Amino acid sequence: IQLTQSPSFLSASVGDRVTITCRASQGISSYLAWYQQNPGKAPKLLIYGASTLQSGVPSRFSGSESGTEFTLTISSLQPEDFATYYCQQLNTYPLTFGGGTKVEIK
Amino acid sequence: EVQLVESGGGLVQPGGSLGLSCAASGFTFSYYWMHWVRQAPGEGLVWVSRISSDGSSTSYADSVKGRFTISRDNAKNTLYLRMKSLRAEDTAVYYCARDRGIDGFDVWGQGTMVTVSS
Repeated sequence: IQLTQSPSFLSASVGDRVTITCRASQGISSYLAWYQQNPGKAPKLLIYGASTLQSGVPSRFSGSESGTEFTLTISSLQPEDFATYYCQQLNTYPLTFGGGTKVEIK
Repeated sequence: EVQLVESGGGLVQPGGSLGLSCAASGFTFSYYWMHWVRQAPGEGLVWVSRISSDGSSTSYADSVKGRFTISRDNAKNTLYLRMKSLRAEDTAVYYCARDRGIDGFDVWGQGTMVTVSS
């Protein structure tokens, strides 16, 4: 199953609302997770089940789905949110990740 | 503290072998399926392999099938990845991660770098 993330690069300012999209090549139910990765660090789980916030993750992060299209939204971008974000499908092996979206400071 | 710590990375020549370890602490290791995920320099995340909680079931990405072997020792709380016939394209940071089923990978190690080069 291929996951196509868009955009691959995003320039935004603190306080902006940011939306990242992940499109699956076939149905994956709601078995989609989102991760945040900072340079030189391991990924961190943000959202699972397409829309459930992982414990400890700020409520400005949210996830939604519509068919095979999934969305990660950051309601008000904070300085610590500048990172790369990946989606992952957990429906079918081999498990796959999207290509990533790098969020940089405008 | 729930923790995963990888070790064993390094420089290896093409065609060579290397073994990675991932030491788990702070949780009941034997309850969880585990995975290896890799990331080539400047690239995205790629799933490599997974093993069931008791070690009886494994699966691999096509790119490593037949060359990599995942295993675990629940008595030692340790996950392993044995890699052979290494290629330049295997160069990456290798992460171990804890599986929470359909709810994603909730614990990751810090990663260990494997460089395949002559």
